[in-house]
Amino acid sequence: NAGVTQTPKFRILKIGQSMTLQCTQDMNHNYMYWYRQDPGMGLKLIYYSVGAGITDKGEVPNGYNVSRSTTEDFPLRLELAAPSQTSVYFCASRRGGDSGELFFGEGSRLTVL
Amino acid sequence: QQQVKQSPQSLIVQKGGISIINCAYENTAFDYFPWYQQFPGKGPALLIAIRPDVSEKKEGRFTISFNKSAKQFSLHIMDSQPGDSATYFCAASRGYGGSQGNLIFGKGTKLSVKP
Repeated sequence: NAGVTQTPKFRILKIGQSMTLQCTQDMNHNYMYWYRQDPGMGLKLIYYSVGAGITDKGEVPNGYNVSRSTTEDFPLRLELAAPSQTSVYFCASRRGGDSGELFFGEGSRLTVL
Repeated sequence: QQQVKQSPQSLIVQKGGISIINCAYENTAFDYFPWYQQFPGKGPALLIAIRPDVSEKKEGRFTISFNKSAKQFSLHIMDSQPGDSATYFCAASRGYGGSQGNLIFGKGTKLSVKP
């Protein structure tokens, strides 16, 4: 079972470059999330989606954009990368209804130099 | 009011000992309290969760204790094993997330169990 798949696993960007982190899930989950994890800081929510065509900001959305054209895919776009965006990014999904369990991908480590 | 405070930041326990991690929250509207376990290089995975209608939930060697009046909850790992060495995150939310509010995570506790 694939679950939540993130690509790439590692990436180095130069300041000002742009890129897209890809996330896809094969569990037909309605909810999808993007978190960033910085050392000693826990997980911060960037954006989330409650279904195809619906997205909303989380706690730290500045410098990022998302789209949700299908149930399966939830890409995260970084525009004009900055050193402050150096982090590990996790995509997660949740079935919805009476289930609170988040299923996480293995993460994408991004370094901005 | 949206914070979840987790302690300690790191914890070293001998094999067979009890590991205890504590969390405190401020928002009385929170009604879902999960714990996630994360191994190096992996994403977090749900370990155990509790709703405030019970004061304790046990799954194998893992127990959540919940104190609604003190707005605190804790994770107890009995008979800790080296394989339990990981980072543990507590979290809280109103409902399960979405328009009602999404999970707020603590900053994590790095647990090392020494053989």
